[in-house]
Amino acid sequence: NAGVTQTPKFQVLKTGQSMTLQCAQDMNHEYMSWYRQDPGMGLRLIHYSVGAGITDQGEVPNGYNVSRSTTEDFPLRLLSAAPSQTSVYFCASSYGQGYYGYTFGSGTRLTVV
Amino acid sequence: GDSVTQMEGPVTLSEEAFLTINCTYTATGYPSLFWYVQYPGEGLQLLLKATKADDKGSNKGFEATYRKETTSFHLEKGSVQVSDSAVYFCALSTIQGAQKLVFGQGTRLTINP
Repeated sequence: NAGVTQTPKFQVLKTGQSMTLQCAQDMNHEYMSWYRQDPGMGLRLIHYSVGAGITDQGEVPNGYNVSRSTTEDFPLRLLSAAPSQTSVYFCASSYGQGYYGYTFGSGTRLTVV
Repeated sequence: GDSVTQMEGPVTLSEEAFLTINCTYTATGYPSLFWYVQYPGEGLQLLLKATKADDKGSNKGFEATYRKETTSFHLEKGSVQVSDSAVYFCALSTIQGAQKLVFGQGTRLTINP
């Protein structure tokens, strides 16, 4: 039982480059989310999805795109990386409405130089 | 909007000391409340939760009671161990905003032998 799997674990990008952070879950969870973690700020929601084909913006969506073509996968795309996007990114999933808690992946540490 | 305020860190204690990490919240409706723990280099793990007033969540010797009258969900443990060293996050989720968790800023806990 893998839970939530994120790849890669570490990435260094140059300003202006694009990339996709991968997230997959094998628990048949409907709800999936992307968060970024910055020092002293807790975690902030970037985008979320309540099911295949349905996505919406969270608190800090600018510079990121998502899509949800399958229940299992929820990739996060950085369109043109900026140093302000240096952060640790976490994907999370939940059964039902998320009212009972989320399962988190182990994170992707991204540095933009 | 919904928010969570956590005790400022870092917190340093000796092994076997009593631990309290304060958490208060502001939310519309009746939120579910969570404590997540993040060990070094890892993702967040759900430590405990409570979904209604006066509920007590407990796990691994940690406890927290949902106090609606004081809008609090303080984390306690009677005797901490070195292995409890981690960052602890208080969070909430509401029925209206069940797609997301609202996090506090996190409290870093270090236990010295």
